[in-house]
Amino acid sequence: NAGVTQTPKFRVLKTGQSMTLLCAQDMNHEYMYWYRQDPGMGLRLIHYSVGEGTTAKGEVPDGYNVSRLKKQNFLLGLESAAPSQTSVYFCASLDTSGANVLTFGAGSRLTVL
Amino acid sequence: DAKTTQPPSMDCAEGRAANLPCNHSTISGNEYVYWYRQIHSQGPQYIIHGLKNNETNEMASLIITEDRKSSTLILPHATLRDTAVYYCIVGFSGGYNKLIFGAGTRLAVHP
Repeated sequence: NAGVTQTPKFRVLKTGQSMTLLCAQDMNHEYMYWYRQDPGMGLRLIHYSVGEGTTAKGEVPDGYNVSRLKKQNFLLGLESAAPSQTSVYFCASLDTSGANVLTFGAGSRLTVL
Repeated sequence: DAKTTQPPSMDCAEGRAANLPCNHSTISGNEYVYWYRQIHSQGPQYIIHGLKNNETNEMASLIITEDRKSSTLILPHATLRDTAVYYCIVGFSGGYNKLIFGAGTRLAVHP
């Protein structure tokens, strides 16, 4: 039981390049979230999903796209990376069957040059 | 969406109780209070949650005021390993769409 797995853990991009971050959970959770965390700052919600095939915008959605084609996977895409998107990205899934607890992945550190 | 306000930083001596406050004056009747913490650059971890009554588990205690507009997370005997950023958020127990984290409180436990 791996919980929430994020790939890749580290990535360096040049401005204008595109990439996709993958979040996978094996807990059969319906809800999934993508957050970004800049140095010394709290978590900011980018996009979230309340089920397979659904996505919604969070606090800071601009410059990102997401897809939830399968229940266990939540993808975060950057079509044209900018230095302002240098951050640590965290994915989380939500257990709504009981206490409504978030389980986070270990994070993906992205640097855009 | 109810928002929370926390002090940016706090200090605590090792072995003493750490009391972390959170203001959530716009909380609605069916919203729970949740606490998470983030150690170094790891993903945040769940600590405790509650609705109206005080709660206690093996990690901490949660005290919620009668009007539910504020709460306090208590770490009864803080250790150096409790040094972390602590986040207070509010949400529904039955499923909550947007889960908004603030900046949290950076707790430093010193010898």
